[in-house]
Amino acid sequence: AQKVTQAQTEISVVEKEDVTLDCVYETRDTTYYLFWYKQPPSGELVFLIRRNSFDEQNEISGRYSWNFQKSTSSFNFTITASQVVDSAVYFCALSEPGNQFYFGTGTSLTVIP
Amino acid sequence: DAGVTQSPTHLIKTRGQQVTLRCSPKSGHDTVSWYQQALGQGPQFIFQYYEEEERQRGNFPDRFSGHQFPNYSSELNVNALLLGDSALYLCASSPSGGANYEQYFGPGTRLTVT
Repeated sequence: AQKVTQAQTEISVVEKEDVTLDCVYETRDTTYYLFWYKQPPSGELVFLIRRNSFDEQNEISGRYSWNFQKSTSSFNFTITASQVVDSAVYFCALSEPGNQFYFGTGTSLTVIP
Repeated sequence: DAGVTQSPTHLIKTRGQQVTLRCSPKSGHDTVSWYQQALGQGPQFIFQYYEEEERQRGNFPDRFSGHQFPNYSSELNVNALLLGDSALYLCASSPSGGANYEQYFGPGTRLTVT
């Protein structure tokens, strides 16, 4: 079974629009960690955020915000006032204690100027 | 502060050949993980090295092997290459404790098998 599901394969938005990238995860552990990474066309994965399962506080960093809801096993990522430089593939990932990273299949975001 | 470095950047091999990819972790990191990313897919975990030993392994055949050196750098070896091994190979490093910390990725090695 897929541990991390990113149902949105591709999203296109016009610059300055807000966009939310969905991530649903599956785990039986009570302690786990969730991550978001950005992969621009250059290919290098860039770390964006790490959350542990005990911290459900939403987080905001500039134009980025994350909504973690254990009740729905979701960890969604919102970009406010999108910019062309936000165009990339975004990956959600899960790790369980002492275990490997599981990545979703990614959401390709295109921001149209 | 140097990030994760990988070499070579690109590589073209023929079916049946063997290949070695190299990775140097971020300064202060001692855990190295390798991932295979096929086109249009998310990275798939191959294995992780810590204290020069393979600590975890994903669902990859024994053709994939690795090594970690005392300076924490690592190599990924793939024997008997198949066309399906064509992918971007990513190395990631993290501090002690490994998986639960954010992993910092290198730029990858793009392997093409013809």
